[in-house]
Amino acid sequence: EAGVAQSPRYKIIEKRQSVAFWCNPISGHATLYWYQQILGQGPKLLIQFQNNGVVDDSQLPKDRFSAERLKGVDSTLKIQPAKLEDSAVYLCASRDSGRASDTQYFGPGTRLTVL
Amino acid sequence: AQSVTQLDSHVSVSEGTPVLLRCNYSSSYSPSLFWYVQHPNKGLQLLLKYTSAATLVKGINGFEAEFKKSETSFHLTKPSAHMSDAAEYFCVVSEPNYGQNFVFGPGTRLSVLP
Repeated sequence: EAGVAQSPRYKIIEKRQSVAFWCNPISGHATLYWYQQILGQGPKLLIQFQNNGVVDDSQLPKDRFSAERLKGVDSTLKIQPAKLEDSAVYLCASRDSGRASDTQYFGPGTRLTVL
Repeated sequence: AQSVTQLDSHVSVSEGTPVLLRCNYSSSYSPSLFWYVQHPNKGLQLLLKYTSAATLVKGINGFEAEFKKSETSFHLTKPSAHMSDAAEYFCVVSEPNYGQNFVFGPGTRLSVLP
């Protein structure tokens, strides 16, 4: 079974530029998550999708971050404009459903450096 | 809302000695609990999970954890550390409701000395 795919793996941009990340979840997984992991911290949830609908985006900085999952499969996360504090690893995860007992499977992440 | 505390930011052990990584949680419901491991520049990998069945949970690579409701703890142990166990470990709590239902602890970095 293929895992969660993310691209690119690394990205370096200057502040005020825009950037987009892509995620393809495990086939058949209805729930998709984007997390931000700042160096030395645990991942923090940015947004959760159930199929193509947003379940929770309460911690997404909506003035600069946006995400979509138009067909309920793959997803993109965009930052525009980027700030220095956005430097982090952006993790995508998927889950068979939204049940608390289900395991989340994580992709390798995209490491973003904002200069 | 649920939360997770990992009591040690860094644990250092010698190869072949026991490992104990501590985790305490706060939850309004009967939670599910997970331990994930993250090796440098690698993705997060599930070690084990507790989902209200047996309180002693066995995972991969010889790790196990015990759920203690009275102590709100879910400590991770391994009888004998291996060099390859050096990594970052995250305790995670999940509640049966939508919205932030997968909360990570801050992580514990495990070093294994030869």
